[in-house]
Amino acid sequence: DTAVSQTPKYLVTQMGNDKSIKCEQNLGHDTMYWYKQDSKKFLKIMFSYNNKELIINETVPNRFSPKSPDKAHLNLHINSLELGDSAVYFCASSQDLVAFTYEQYFGPGTRLTVT
Amino acid sequence: AQTVTQSQPEMSVQEAETVTLSCTYDTSESNYYLFWYKQPPSRQMILVIRQEAYKQQNATENRFSVNFQKAAKSFSLKISDSQLGDTAMYFCAFMRGMNGNEKLTFGTGTRLTIIP
Repeated sequence: DTAVSQTPKYLVTQMGNDKSIKCEQNLGHDTMYWYKQDSKKFLKIMFSYNNKELIINETVPNRFSPKSPDKAHLNLHINSLELGDSAVYFCASSQDLVAFTYEQYFGPGTRLTVT
Repeated sequence: AQTVTQSQPEMSVQEAETVTLSCTYDTSESNYYLFWYKQPPSRQMILVIRQEAYKQQNATENRFSVNFQKAAKSFSLKISDSQLGDTAMYFCAFMRGMNGNEKLTFGTGTRLTIIP
């Protein structure tokens, strides 16, 4: 049973294109996140949503737009892709502390390569 | 803002030996959580162990244990009886607050290699 899934796992595209990455979790969690891992393996938060509401929006170019149609899904759309966008993008989910489970569970990652 | 520092970019150890990975953090928060995540070559992020700051007892999970020194803001991971499958990047991470929906702030990682 897949807990947090992402599609696609690999994405190769050219500069200037627009692309989307999809994330779904079947854990019943309330909060979902996008993290970016750069070429040096450094992981940094981009966005998070709680029950479809944006709660974290770090300093990310506005070419990146998250969308949460429901609390089980969080998609990431990227416009006008640039070489520097090449990275691994991780989706994660967690539940509010009231349920006493607050660990973040990660998807398998999407390796985006912009040529 | 919180920062997490892992001062050992790479480590290697013989199979079956014990290894300790270091992590320090800086925060003014009183309520927070600390985690160690493992990222093997498959790139999947796997939670290894967690520690609640309000708990004095160090967390343990089978061969993995932590040494949590709150006053020193130190959170090291000890891996006992290391196995080849422990070869991975290990990330220390901090999460503030009590809501459980805060972001994770990661350290830069330690690449651990277990030598047969």
